[in-house]
Formats: sequence, C-alpha cells, structure tokens
Amino acid sequence: AQSVTQPDIHITVSEGASLELRCNYSYGATPYLFWYVQSPGQGLQLLLKYFSGDTLVQGIKGFEAEFKRSQSSFNLRKPSVHWSDAAEYFCAVGVSGGYNKLIFGAGTRLAVHP
Amino acid sequence: EAQVTQNPRYLITVTGKKLTVTCSQNMNHEYMSWYRQDPGLGLRQIYYSMNVEVTDKGDVPEGYKVSRKEKRNFPLILESPSPNQTSLYFCASRRSWDREADTQYFGPGTRLTVL
Repeated sequence: AQSVTQPDIHITVSEGASLELRCNYSYGATPYLFWYVQSPGQGLQLLLKYFSGDTLVQGIKGFEAEFKRSQSSFNLRKPSVHWSDAAEYFCAVGVSGGYNKLIFGAGTRLAVHP
Repeated sequence: EAQVTQNPRYLITVTGKKLTVTCSQNMNHEYMSWYRQDPGLGLRQIYYSMNVEVTDKGDVPEGYKVSRKEKRNFPLILESPSPNQTSLYFCASRRSWDREADTQYFGPGTRLTVL
C-alpha cells in the first residue's frame, strides 16, 4: 500500500542554521511528490513539487527538495532558517489511477530558536 | 484572487446535531476533496468529487456525506456528529481530476469540536 513516512515529529533549530526534513515514501510507480507547509492557524501552502525531470526541485521561501529514487526519499532542505519558518511541514505523494489522491505523511513540526 | 473558502472556521456543537461545512472555490476546478487532520495522522481524505454530480469515498468516509450540485461548491455534511469527528477539516481543489501532478489548493480549515 502507498504510504508516506516523516520520521521526525518535532525538530528544533536555531535561526540561521540549516534544515533538512526527511520524507520517505512507498509507492510502486513513478511518484508525484509534494511538500506543503502549514503555519499556525492557516491552511496548507504548497512549497514545491516533483513530477519529472531534474531531481533537485526549487520551491518558494528558499526551500529545495531532492528526489532520490534509490532511497525512496524526498527530503526538504533550507540553507538558513528564519524564525518565520516555524510551522508544520507535510510531505505527500500523488497516487495515480482510480481517484488520483494525495497521501500525506504525519507531519514534522519545526520550532526555530532565536 | 484565486482561493478556496470554508465556513465556518470554528464550530462547537453537540452530539447528534446535524451540521454542514461549506466549501467554495473560484478557480473553475473540476476536482474537489475533503480531508481531516488529526495529530500524528496527517491529513486523510474523507470524500472527493471529480466533477459535478460525481462523488466518491476517500479513506475515512464513515459519518460524512457530500454533494456536488455546482462546480464551485462542495459541502461536507455530518448528519449525526459524534465526538470522534472532532478534528480540523480542510477542503481542497485541483484543476482536473486526472492530473495528479497538478497543485492542490487548500482552504483555511474548519476546526470542529463535537461535545
């Protein structure tokens, strides 16, 4: 069955430090992969997505993610975190066939220390 | 402005009292869906709609109903809410049902508490 695993429930980093959020997926076909961010009290905003081509994807707010098929991973990175990046981050895989839905991971909550 | 709107944003109700959460999008999207978000579980799909009058169950449909009479609206109906339906609900839309690479746009969420 298709699934998405985000191994880290909570992560705390200092402002200015680099960030990597992990995402592993289980899916038999070529995946469509997404990272969403949910700021407190807000809906989900798309950070970036991968569906083909270059495996290093650039997104908004200075984020990037790298698709590694051999590791079934799609980790999110940012070289220097800002206090405003504190939020919950969700990785999702787009499942084709049938009803073409998104399957989400459980999320990683990021705290940023000044 | 392209957006998905939901109402109400917050709702406290009692067990068994029917309620409807409205969802509307102004992007002429074919595909709409409802998710619930629970701690440690991420978002799980409740129902989805591929177009007007075409709806189907997602992963956690029990206790919910939907309808899609107009393209822009996709209300979520709880005929007899129970405390286990206390959750944060998101409506989402996507341009077409058959393009899973399309971006899915989310509403701001409705926090429902059932006492």
